[in-house]
Amino acid sequence: QVQLVESGGGVVQPGTSLRLSCAASGFTFKTYAMHWVRQAPGKGLEWVSVVTFDESNKKYADSVKGRFTISRDNSKNVLYLQMSSLTIEDTAVYYCARASNDYTDYWGQGTLVTVSS
Amino acid sequence: SYVLTQPPSVSVAPGQTARITCGGNNIGDKSVHWYQQKPGQAPVLVVYDDSDRPSGIPERFSGSNSGNTATLTISRVDDGDEADYYCQVWDSFSDHQYVFGTGTKVTVL
Repeated sequence: QVQLVESGGGVVQPGTSLRLSCAASGFTFKTYAMHWVRQAPGKGLEWVSVVTFDESNKKYADSVKGRFTISRDNSKNVLYLQMSSLTIEDTAVYYCARASNDYTDYWGQGTLVTVSS
Repeated sequence: SYVLTQPPSVSVAPGQTARITCGGNNIGDKSVHWYQQKPGQAPVLVVYDDSDRPSGIPERFSGSNSGNTATLTISRVDDGDEADYYCQVWDSFSDHQYVFGTGTKVTVL
């Protein structure tokens, strides 16, 4: 069965960097685009970024453009999100999700990132 | 950027029908997808492409989309349907960004 397991979250100070990982299994990872979606405490879902199956195209939400970088390692079945210049507003649970056409059909359980001084 | 507006909350008695709206400019021209999120859990896709259901999702969940409003309908509501629901579209005009609605909390009375 499809499994997505995020890791790398934690408590960091404003202005610092953090890299999230998402380990995928149960499907042919290298053939699917992948997303990151986040959810601030008590708030709604916010799309963050998407990467095509071969990394030929990457898109970002305006709120993270220039600070976050999505990437993947198809040899290891892992999706990454490199986050830099973190602010308090980046505090959220970060989910990775598998893309299917223009929606997402499987989600991980999320990893919590807390930006606090 | 494209905006999707949902009512903050919908209350429904068990056995009745819940209707959750998602408003957007000419949303009827887009494919709308719906997710259910229970407390402490990841979202789950319940309807895609306006009205299709993934395998394992009960027929009680249905969707429609026309004009400026998409609707998720949950028939014969039970306690297990109490959750937050989000609509989502792909906005090809804003640098291909994914957009989520504001979310609706469904409460079963």
